[in-house]
Amino acid sequence: DAGITQSPRYKITETGRQVTLMCHQTWSHSYMFWYRQDLGHGLRLIYYSAAADITDKGEVPDGYVVSRSKTENFPLTLESATRSQTSVYFCASSADRGNQPQHFGDGTRLSIL
Amino acid sequence: GENVEQHPSTLSVQEGDSAVIKCTYSDSASNYFPWYKQELGKRPQLIIDIRSNVGEKKDQRIAVTLNKTAKHFSLHITETQPEDSAVYFCAIFSGTYKYIFGTGTRLKVLA
Repeated sequence: DAGITQSPRYKITETGRQVTLMCHQTWSHSYMFWYRQDLGHGLRLIYYSAAADITDKGEVPDGYVVSRSKTENFPLTLESATRSQTSVYFCASSADRGNQPQHFGDGTRLSIL
Repeated sequence: GENVEQHPSTLSVQEGDSAVIKCTYSDSASNYFPWYKQELGKRPQLIIDIRSNVGEKKDQRIAVTLNKTAKHFSLHITETQPEDSAVYFCAIFSGTYKYIFGTGTRLKVLA
């Protein structure tokens, strides 16, 4: 779905560095989500947002910070990257939090050395 | 706590045969059950979903069944084709307003 884009697609950084992953959607969906995908764990929710300036923790929020000043953008920041945060990160959006499907971006493959 | 168990983790079938993937969940307040297909290196994409007031839904070769009493739902793919090879994830929308995903099933369709 071209309506949700993530950048960068690939990122290599070092432990202790700050890195921000960007997510932008053009549907004006209220809800946006950040997941990480690791082998054996499926998709795990990091943070989600119900609207601009409203965010909440998911299953694995430690070490991550989010903001949502505009409806269309939902950046994810790793304030001090650790090797355990090496993963594939997916952003998603949905028109409603409840019984509506989520639309995923192409993902960001992040490697922390 | 809330969780979703998905089985099997890998599944190999001959082309033309059927494939069934099952998920069980613990939160009885869950009311939305989507299935996603993820090809290698690609994003998860919704293939079918079902809501708690429906027992079965079909879309061509794909169907989903839901048993709310037993708290499980299943994905059925008939007449499998090589392009069905992918990882399939079930998910639930839980009573605490979060999506929880299963750990995935790698389906291989052998030509």
